[in-house]
Amino acid sequence: SQTIHQWPATLVQPVGSPLSLECTVEGTSNPNLYWYRQAAGRGLQLLFYSVGIGQISSEVPQNLSASRPQDRQFILSSKKLLLSDSGFYLCAWTDFNYGYTFGSGTRLTVV
Amino acid sequence: DQQVKQNSPSLSVQEGRISILNCDYTNSMFDYFLWYKKYPAEGPTFLISISSIKDKNEDGRFTVFLNKSAKHLSLHIVPSQPGDSAVYFCAASVESTGNQFYFGTGTSLTVIP
Repeated sequence: SQTIHQWPATLVQPVGSPLSLECTVEGTSNPNLYWYRQAAGRGLQLLFYSVGIGQISSEVPQNLSASRPQDRQFILSSKKLLLSDSGFYLCAWTDFNYGYTFGSGTRLTVV
Repeated sequence: DQQVKQNSPSLSVQEGRISILNCDYTNSMFDYFLWYKKYPAEGPTFLISISSIKDKNEDGRFTVFLNKSAKHLSLHIVPSQPGDSAVYFCAASVESTGNQFYFGTGTSLTVIP
């Protein structure tokens, strides 16, 4: 069966520090992968999606970047965090049959 | 541009009564819709879906209704239970274009015991 892992679960980082959130999927090949952010009062905002290794589409220009070094690995990064980057980050994948399956999320607090 | 809208940020319902959560969309190309349920500090989990060829889909206590002409869908929970208290997101996609989903802003449901 397919599973999605996302870590860390919580993270507190100072302003200006780098960020790396990792997401991996097991039990499937060539999934579409997504990074979403849930911010207060703004629902789920699509940040990046990837249809394959090295292929990244950005939905919202911002202080973040994404990479897909392997088929089932999706990384969300930042070189210098801003206070406004605080939020709940969710990785998701889809096999085109069912909609999204989400990871458990990362609560990022930038202080 | 918010293509999927949930205009009620919160809803409170007495246990045992019906909860009705609403969702509107603007893109007439959307043909597949889902509802997700999210508890705090967890990822959303799939609840129920509906394709545009149907106007109703039922799964236990949960029923989703789709009104294509009004570009409106709703989720009915009957009877509501305290464990249903969560944030509910509706999502829409154009199935033929690769399952990119557009989410509403969510409705926080509180079921009062």
